[in-house]
Amino acid sequence: DARVTQTPRDKVTEMGQEVTMRCQPILGHNTVFWYRQTMMQGLELLAYFRNRAPLDDSGMPKDRFSAEMPDATLATLKIQPSEPRDSAVYFCASGLAGSAGELFFGEGSRLTVL
Amino acid sequence: GESVGLHLPTLSVQEGDNSIINCAYSNSASDYFIWYKQESGKGPQFIIDIRSNMDKRQGQRVTVLLNKTVKHLSLQIAATQPGDSAVYFCAEICPNNNDMRFGAGTRLTVKP
Repeated sequence: DARVTQTPRDKVTEMGQEVTMRCQPILGHNTVFWYRQTMMQGLELLAYFRNRAPLDDSGMPKDRFSAEMPDATLATLKIQPSEPRDSAVYFCASGLAGSAGELFFGEGSRLTVL
Repeated sequence: GESVGLHLPTLSVQEGDNSIINCAYSNSASDYFIWYKQESGKGPQFIIDIRSNMDKRQGQRVTVLLNKTVKHLSLQIAATQPGDSAVYFCAEICPNNNDMRFGAGTRLTVKP
């Protein structure tokens, strides 16, 4: 049963600490999206990769956030230093560029920054 | 005190009734639209999609209607069941950059 896997599922950290969230896209998918979901803003697009290359990261605060795809099986989203306002659920989704556009979402990483 | 946040539109229906969830999209250049369902504690799941060259598409118990003139999308769920209770999001894809943007969502509650 192919699925997008995200780790950690839950993370509680203190302000100023570095946080790294990981995502394993579905094998064979060549697009990866990172979204952040909060009560205030809903689902916000943070970054988007196609064939491991970043296509759009305009939604991401550049001073503290970074997103990478070291290889086709791993996408990372890093926050350094973390702040309380970063508390949210972070979703990774993968899909196939040029196909129907359907994205498959992971279960999310719930981040709480104290 | 009162919390300030995103007040999701809510729709409450009786089990067995039909539900209609509406969405207004923002970009007139968007040419592809998807409805997602998000259950509590889970990621969004694909329900149905529609391209801008169509105005209606049907799936199993669901129908999506697209009105490009007023930039409006709707999702109709027939014979709504308790398992349909969730937050429903519409998403639009712009051909210029192919990224997917989500609407605010609507919370559907089905009363047994």
